[in-house]
Formats: sequence, C-alpha cells, structure tokens
Amino acid sequence: ETGVTQSPTHLIKTRGQQVTLRCSSQSGHNTVSWYQQALGQGPQFIFQYYREEENGRGNFPPRFSGLQFPNYSSELNVNALELDDSALYLCASSFLLGPGANVLTFGAGSRLTVL
Amino acid sequence: AQSVTQLDSHVSVSEGTPVLLRCNYSSSYSPSLFWYVQHPNKGLQLLLKYTSAATLVKGINGFEAEFKKSETSFHLTKPSAHMSDAAEYFCVVTMNYGGATNKLIFGTGTLLAVQP
Repeated sequence: ETGVTQSPTHLIKTRGQQVTLRCSSQSGHNTVSWYQQALGQGPQFIFQYYREEENGRGNFPPRFSGLQFPNYSSELNVNALELDDSALYLCASSFLLGPGANVLTFGAGSRLTVL
Repeated sequence: AQSVTQLDSHVSVSEGTPVLLRCNYSSSYSPSLFWYVQHPNKGLQLLLKYTSAATLVKGINGFEAEFKKSETSFHLTKPSAHMSDAAEYFCVVTMNYGGATNKLIFGTGTLLAVQP
C-alpha cells in the first residue's frame, strides 16, 4: 500500500503571497487532516476533510483553506502569508469511522519558509 | 478540555540502557492516548495506542506504555535503547471533535538522544 505523499517538500515565499500545498492520501483512506508544526513545537490541528467538505477546524484564521478531491487527495491553501506561517505542514489520512478512525498516517511534510 | 504535558523536552541515554519518556494527560472523559515518533525528514509514525482495553500497551520496536488513570500518566518505556531510537517523540490525546471527527492534540515533544 502507498503511504501519504506531500509536495513540495520545501518552499520559500514572501509575506503577503499565497501558497498551495498538496497531499495524496494513503490508498483506501477517505479522510484527510492537516497539521501545522512550528519549530520546536508539536503539530497543531488545522482542519479535516471528508467527502470533499470540511469536517472540523482548529484555531486557524479563514485565510487557511482546503480542498479534498474525489480521489481523496487534498490541498491546503494559505493566503496573505505572514512570517509566523513558517512551519512544517503535515498531511495525514485515515478512515472517518471504525476502530481505525483515530489512527492517522502522516506524510513527511512540506516545510514553508516565509520571508 | 483535553491536553497532554510531556515532562521532559530532552532525554539522553546510553545505548543499551532503559528509556523513560514521561507524559501526563488531562481529559474530561476516558481518553484515547498515543505515542508517535518523528525522525528527521520523515513522517510521524505511530508507536502505540491506548483505547481503554489493556492498560499496558505494547508497540513497535520494543516500546510500551502504561495507562495509569490514578496518576493521569501514559509514560513510554523501552528496556534497552538502540542508536536508531534517537528521534523526537510525541504524546498525543484524541478529542472527539463533534460528530465523527477526531482531532489529535500533541504534546510539545521529547527529543531522545542515544549516546554510544
């Protein structure tokens, strides 16, 4: 089975720009979640998508948005980038229901640097 | 509200000696608890999970953790450290975020160094 893949692995943007990060879910998983991991911190939940709709959101402003596609792949979009958005962005896939619902498979992440 | 506190930001052990990474949790009801490991440039990997079955949970690579409700603890242990265990470890609690959404709440991490 394939794991979770994310692209790009690294990118540099300037303040005010917009960024799109991409994620391919593990085969068979129907739910995707995004997390932000600042340097020296644990990951923080941004949001989760199921059936192409947002299914829960953490404490992040609306300029953080996402998409889930029919093949369960996903995008994270961040508008009006700020310096504090510099972080590792992690995508994770899972099942929504059942005993595996809270067992997430994570990708290696996209490291975003905002200058 | 649910949270986890990892009591040590850095732990250093010698190869072949025991590992103890400490985690306390706070939860208003019976939690699901996990330990994840993060190696540099790799994704987070699940080591083990507790979901209200046996209180002693065995995971991969010889790790185990014991759920102690009276102490609100979920410490991670391994009898004998290996060089390949050097990584960052996260204690995690789930919050059922309404409906079927599961949101993971991570601790701040413990960086484990293994000395030869």
